[in-house]
Amino acid sequence: GENVEQHPSTLSVQEGDSAVIKCTYSDSASNYFPWYKQELGKRPQLIIDIRSNVGEKKDQRIAVTLNKTAKHFSLHITETQPEDSAVYFCAASTSGGGADGLTFGKGTHLIIQP
Amino acid sequence: KAGVTQTPRYLIKTRGQQVTLSCSPISGHRSVSWYQQTPGQGLQFLFEYFSETQRNKGNFPGRFSGRQFSNSRSEMNVSTLELGDSALYLCASSLGGGTTDTQYFGPGTRLTVL
Repeated sequence: GENVEQHPSTLSVQEGDSAVIKCTYSDSASNYFPWYKQELGKRPQLIIDIRSNVGEKKDQRIAVTLNKTAKHFSLHITETQPEDSAVYFCAASTSGGGADGLTFGKGTHLIIQP
Repeated sequence: KAGVTQTPRYLIKTRGQQVTLSCSPISGHRSVSWYQQTPGQGLQFLFEYFSETQRNKGNFPGRFSGRQFSNSRSEMNVSTLELGDSALYLCASSLGGGTTDTQYFGPGTRLTVL
């Protein structure tokens, strides 16, 4: 089955700097790659997703890039703010998150230092 | 639209008991997936239901089961509880159409097994 590796497990950046989280996946059939943000005690919330026919997607300060040849995708957060502090999970799926389920990375604890 | 809801939010059981958790999807969503979240294993896919049928199942023992009703509400059941079943159980709903689907998570049920 699919295996998703996520790095780093903890990332501390100064407020205003950029943060980059990287994920690799094993199943070349995967075609859907969402990123979720989970604050302490709250539900995972989708922040951005990308499908395999797109190489990059941007939404304000957040962007995701996908390299299907290398089987890796990354989350980029620019101009980080205190409210960006949370655990971020990448995931991969072969069916858009439906029948096959999402395979998640272990998560990255992002800490924004004031 | 109202989001995904789960009941109960917290549950304490003892080993050997069984438990039933409930999930109500976003109105119009026909797919419900269940995930187990633990500090050690992260987020792991349990199973997914669409139109009252289980379409796929993750790598969990048969003690974990579920069902979906005609109104798309779903329940999951865990029988003969073990200490290792202590976790946050999350359900996620999606339209169920396939590759363009996005999953939206509920707040979770925190299960503690003593």
